[in-house]
Amino acid sequence: GAGVSQTPSNKVTEKGKYVELRCDPISGHTALYWYRQSLGQGPEFLIYFQGTGAADDSGLPNDRFFAVRPEGSVSTLKIQRTERGDSAVYLCASSLMGSDIQYFGAGTRLSVL
Amino acid sequence: AQSVSQHNHHVILSEAASLELGCNYSYGGTVNLFWYVQYPGQHLQLLLKYFSGDPLVKGIKGFEAEFIKSKFSFNLRKPSVQWSDTAEYFCAVIFYGGATNKLIFGTGTLLAVQP
Repeated sequence: GAGVSQTPSNKVTEKGKYVELRCDPISGHTALYWYRQSLGQGPEFLIYFQGTGAADDSGLPNDRFFAVRPEGSVSTLKIQRTERGDSAVYLCASSLMGSDIQYFGAGTRLSVL
Repeated sequence: AQSVSQHNHHVILSEAASLELGCNYSYGGTVNLFWYVQYPGQHLQLLLKYFSGDPLVKGIKGFEAEFIKSKFSFNLRKPSVQWSDTAEYFCAVIFYGGATNKLIFGTGTLLAVQP
């Protein structure tokens, strides 16, 4: 595809609900990253995939957060029992293997009421 | 802990003024350095990067940045800003030695250029 695609662009949910956020990376990019950007802050790392496996999930805040990338392309970030503090913009980025240049999607703005 | 600091959170300039945005990072090891820009309503875009070589790097739209290793700094500059430069600017660093090439971002600088 032309760029990193994230859906939905906006998601409003109620406290306690489950949400899934989708990322479709640039075709051929094997590395995929999830970041979270809270208001007034820079993006913060959540998890990194190289291919299908999560190579580094050290940024996930707690066990309510989980991400998968079953076929090494599209990734889904899953948040269980959402809390108001989860409200943020969730960004996805991808890069070619061996490259440090990450290309970002437009993000999903999650609002937990 | 690995961290990135941006000194200016909000900058207001008139067109044609010169711009310098500060960025400092912790840690004394090998780093790759980036400036990303986010225009209103758009996604993060790479403005410029430093990996090695000449510490003065030039990016798109007339921006440049200078890596000063002794000061752990990577300041962004532009001699003459335009109204279209209104955006949020993020400094980001990859600190080598960890498990992954994750970007560590500063908190961002919101630049408003008045016509």
